[in-house]
Amino acid sequence: TQLLEQSPQFLSIQEGENLTVYCNSSSVFSSLQWYRQEPGEGPVLLVTVVTGGEVKKLKRLTFQFGDARKDSSLHITAAQPGDTGLYLCAGVYAGGTSYGKLTFGQGTILTVHP
Amino acid sequence: EAGVTQFPSHSVIEKGQTVTLRCDPISGHDNLYWYRRVMGKEIKFLLHFVKESKQDESGMPNNRFLAERTGGTYSTLKVQPAELEDSGVYFCASSPQGPPYGYTFGSGTRLTVV
Repeated sequence: TQLLEQSPQFLSIQEGENLTVYCNSSSVFSSLQWYRQEPGEGPVLLVTVVTGGEVKKLKRLTFQFGDARKDSSLHITAAQPGDTGLYLCAGVYAGGTSYGKLTFGQGTILTVHP
Repeated sequence: EAGVTQFPSHSVIEKGQTVTLRCDPISGHDNLYWYRRVMGKEIKFLLHFVKESKQDESGMPNNRFLAERTGGTYSTLKVQPAELEDSGVYFCASSPQGPPYGYTFGSGTRLTVV
């Protein structure tokens, strides 16, 4: 069974602080996606990374894909209360039997206090 | 563009009863996925349709679960008979192509088996 370890599970910070969320696996991904989920809603795609070493920025969010495509990180600069939510990483493993199957991490619940 | 629609949003049934969940994907999206999140666990893949064909059903827990996608449009997921451990949030997602294209998720159906 392929596992995607996401950490930390919980993060409680003050407005203006920086934070990083990590996703790690022992297996290689063909692509990895980051989602954000609000209560009562489904996950909403933030970004997809495909190439090893790739860095993508979305305003104050920076996403990085490891060179070996086994890990990824999400960094938020100067967090705001509006960033509060559940962040999920999800990957498609290289060589998997199903090109469409996403494996999710357990998620990081972020709370940003004013 | 209408999003992915799931209904019901909530369902409470007794053990042994039958429940049918429905998903209407975004029009034109050939790929349709079912995922489930059991309390305290990560979101897990159930199955993947490409049009009306099952591409991968490796995540289906057992033969009490039956998924169909008539005419390659909407999909249903039937649980018969329901057991307590089937409780969770069932998400449907669709995409025009497989990864690295991101998915659009529905808001989910919260199923409680009592």
